[in-house]
Amino acid sequence: GAVVSQHPSWVICKSGTSVKIECRSLDFQATTMFWYRQFPKQSLMLMATSNEGSKATYEQGVEKDKFLINHASLTLSTLTVTSAHPEDSSFYICSAPLPGTSGRAGQYFGPGTRLTVT
Amino acid sequence: AQSVTQLDSQVPVFEEAPVELRCNYSSSVSVYLFWYVQYPNQGLQLLLKYLSGSTLVKGINGFEAEFNKSQTSFHLRKPSVHISDTAEYFCAVSDPNAGGTSYGKLTFGQGTILTVHP
Repeated sequence: GAVVSQHPSWVICKSGTSVKIECRSLDFQATTMFWYRQFPKQSLMLMATSNEGSKATYEQGVEKDKFLINHASLTLSTLTVTSAHPEDSSFYICSAPLPGTSGRAGQYFGPGTRLTVT
Repeated sequence: AQSVTQLDSQVPVFEEAPVELRCNYSSSVSVYLFWYVQYPNQGLQLLLKYLSGSTLVKGINGFEAEFNKSQTSFHLRKPSVHISDTAEYFCAVSDPNAGGTSYGKLTFGQGTILTVHP
């Protein structure tokens, strides 16, 4: 079945640096992808909706300049955490809707990327 | 606005016992309902979904859920659990009629950690 991959699976960076996380849809095209953030023992919080060929749509309270999203192609979306700080340490998960459904019938989730900022 | 409440944050059970994970949602409109499972340090995997039709939905790994519109519930059940079912389970909803920035958006519950003991 359809699969979504993320790279890297785990990254450690120093405070003040930027980190890029890739989300790829394998074997299907995704005009929309979703980025979530999950703190330990908490639920997923939607950060933004990535739209191929246009600007991302950010949820209220998410800093657009800090979390840069680029949907470069129909199979790739990237999330760049700029000037990372320890409070940005979290588990970041992307997802893509089931083909032909635009997300209304569920989503395929990537395996997640654990970011640790020291 | 939609919201999802998972009534139990943790559910411990013994192997081969039945289990029910409770989920209630609040929405003034029709909804799509989902259950996802998350194993440690992994993304989410779709267990089952309710879009329309029969209120009893069967999913993977022997799980099933029943949509109860009058009680706005979508409880997940399994008649006999295995050690391998130990994971965190998330209930989620989406609005079939959402448009704009809410198109395809999922709202998650807080999660229920199911621990199966031998």
